[in-house]
Amino acid sequence: SAVISQKPSRDICQRGTSLTIQCQVDSQVTMMFWYRQQPGQSLTLIATANQGSEATYESGFVIDKFPISRPNLTFSTLTVSNMSPEDSSIYLCSVQGASDTQYFGPGTRLTVL
Amino acid sequence: AQTVTQSQPEMSVQEAETVTLSCTYDTSESDYYLFWYKQPPSRQMILVIRQEAYKQQNATENRFSVNFQKAAKSFSLKISDSQLGDAAMYFCAYRSARGAQKLVFGQGTRLTINP
Repeated sequence: SAVISQKPSRDICQRGTSLTIQCQVDSQVTMMFWYRQQPGQSLTLIATANQGSEATYESGFVIDKFPISRPNLTFSTLTVSNMSPEDSSIYLCSVQGASDTQYFGPGTRLTVL
Repeated sequence: AQTVTQSQPEMSVQEAETVTLSCTYDTSESDYYLFWYKQPPSRQMILVIRQEAYKQQNATENRFSVNFQKAAKSFSLKISDSQLGDAAMYFCAYRSARGAQKLVFGQGTRLTINP
């Protein structure tokens, strides 16, 4: 399976600010995904990021709030914009690996005050 | 749209015993994948086991095995010889074999191992 790293691992931010989360993979992958896990909840897909094209957002998530970049096949960023306390969550990136299986990064724990 | 249901918010088991976590799903598709992921307090999502819907044989990975009942749309996880390190949130997930590659997760089951 791919080795995936995320930065930062955690952050505490003030409302109204933005945070960019980075996801780095040790091998080239076609598809990368960004999930949100609100406190005590399950994971929900925010968007799918393909290299060379616009990200595909799920219902309830918009590009202005969660802009995503995918400059190459090993890297992606997710920005959480104009944050409010409701954005406090764990944000996880994942990649599509062998055998149609997704592998996850360690996650970024975001707290918005 | 596909949905995944885990009806057991919490389960506990004695160390070295066997426990079964339940998962049901709803889909109109015939070709798909099912997964169990484990999330310890470190929050890392770890793949436990994977099942392809077209395979009748139940997947096994060491102490972990599944009971896949396609007609009943049921996908339970059995953990044998439970160990303290098995304590975690367990999530069942569905993925279509075609089209959207996203995972649809259940609500999770918190598993506690009693020494």
